Amino acid sequence: KAGVTQTPRYLIKTRGQQVTLSCSPISGHRSVSWYQQTPGQGLQFLFEYFSETQRNKGNFPGRFSGRQFSNSRSEMNVSTLELGDSALYLCASSSTGPGYEQYFGPGTRLTVT
Amino acid sequence: GENVEQHPSTLSVQEGDSAVIKCTYSDSASNYFPWYKQELGKRPQLIIDIRSNVGEKKDQRIAVTLNKTAKHFSLHITETQPEDSAVYFCAASIRNNRLAFGKGNQVVVIP
Repeated sequence: KAGVTQTPRYLIKTRGQQVTLSCSPISGHRSVSWYQQTPGQGLQFLFEYFSETQRNKGNFPGRFSGRQFSNSRSEMNVSTLELGDSALYLCASSSTGPGYEQYFGPGTRLTVT
Repeated sequence: GENVEQHPSTLSVQEGDSAVIKCTYSDSASNYFPWYKQELGKRPQLIIDIRSNVGEKKDQRIAVTLNKTAKHFSLHITETQPEDSAVYFCAASIRNNRLAFGKGNQVVVIP
């Protein structure tokens, strides 16, 4: 099976702009979780989608949002970008949810200037 | 609580020696404990996991042990090789079927 894919791999944006990141899960996986990875904070949970519904949400401001499509592909949107949003954004897919085997994509490196 | 803590933050070992990384968790309801390996510039890779109904699981040179009473679990790497150098993340399932991650351990294998 093909692994989890994410696009784009790299992004450079300026403060105030918005950005949309995409994640395609492993075929047959219905759960997609998003994480923010920074050197000081490790992996911080953003949210999880399952069958087009947001099941879980982490402690991030409302500027961070997401959605999932009927084919399980997911998008994450960040509006009004801030410098502190610079990070590696990882998505992970699972057949049933994060409490089971979860596989990560390569990530999108977002740099906000 | 949802805290998962890893110790030590950095571990250097001689090639061929064993490495042990310990994680503690706070949620007594946690029942799934995966370990991920992340090499520089690459994605986290699931290397081994354990569920709360077993105390130990082994896969070739790596093993994970779980002590539910003490709320800690450990990753053991035997006969370390240079390719074992990476950051290792532990995680624990928490409420609402989520995973809480530790901040990672840098393991350096010295040839």
